[in-house]
Amino acid sequence: EIVLTQSPATLSLSPGERATLSCRASQSIGNYLAWYQQKPGQAPRLLIYDASIRATGIPARFSGSGSGTDFTLTISNLEPEDFAIYFCQQRSFWPLLTFGGGTKVEIK
Amino acid sequence: QVELQESGPGLVKPSETLSLTCTVSGVSITISSYYWGWIRQAPGQGLEWIGSISYSGSTYYSPSLKSRVTISKDTSKNQFSLKVSSVTASDTAVYYCARIRDRYEDRGYFDIWGQGAQVTVSS
Repeated sequence: EIVLTQSPATLSLSPGERATLSCRASQSIGNYLAWYQQKPGQAPRLLIYDASIRATGIPARFSGSGSGTDFTLTISNLEPEDFAIYFCQQRSFWPLLTFGGGTKVEIK
Repeated sequence: QVELQESGPGLVKPSETLSLTCTVSGVSITISSYYWGWIRQAPGQGLEWIGSISYSGSTYYSPSLKSRVTISKDTSKNQFSLKVSSVTASDTAVYYCARIRDRYEDRGYFDIWGQGAQVTVSS
């Protein structure tokens, strides 16, 4: 079973700063990784899929990179609405799916 | 506009069966471009994929929950359902239903989610 490990658990930043979130897979998953954003009391929202493709309507300040076992979500120039929890998810072993444990981006 | 809505009891007793239904509007659950899934989130925890059902009715489950989970669908009502048997307090969570893309270019990602249903296991 694929395990996705996200780091750091919490990221404390100020608006306007750059956020760099990591997701590491226990074995190679190609580029079959997505990122989701979850705000309090809301369902997750798809941001990025296949490691680097922005979903419909997602601002350009969100970007994804990586392949194999190491992936990064970068949020350039943090906006107030970007403070949330971010999850990665793999589909390399479709139809079996796995999520990471999440990274909370909080206001410093 | 595609929408998903979870429904079911918010309180379940230990050892009993948790049952939830997801009603889908705006798209047929029999369209071959999509699977349909259940995900849960325990208090203060991350997301856990529970299982999925295809447009044709094939089911796939998380290995850790497989022995207790059943997912089914009712195409006449455009709904799919989740049952988790022998529940304990550790099954207390918000349960989400979601649509999963099944197109070659973006297979396996959750693109539309329900709002979530809180289920508490307690006597």
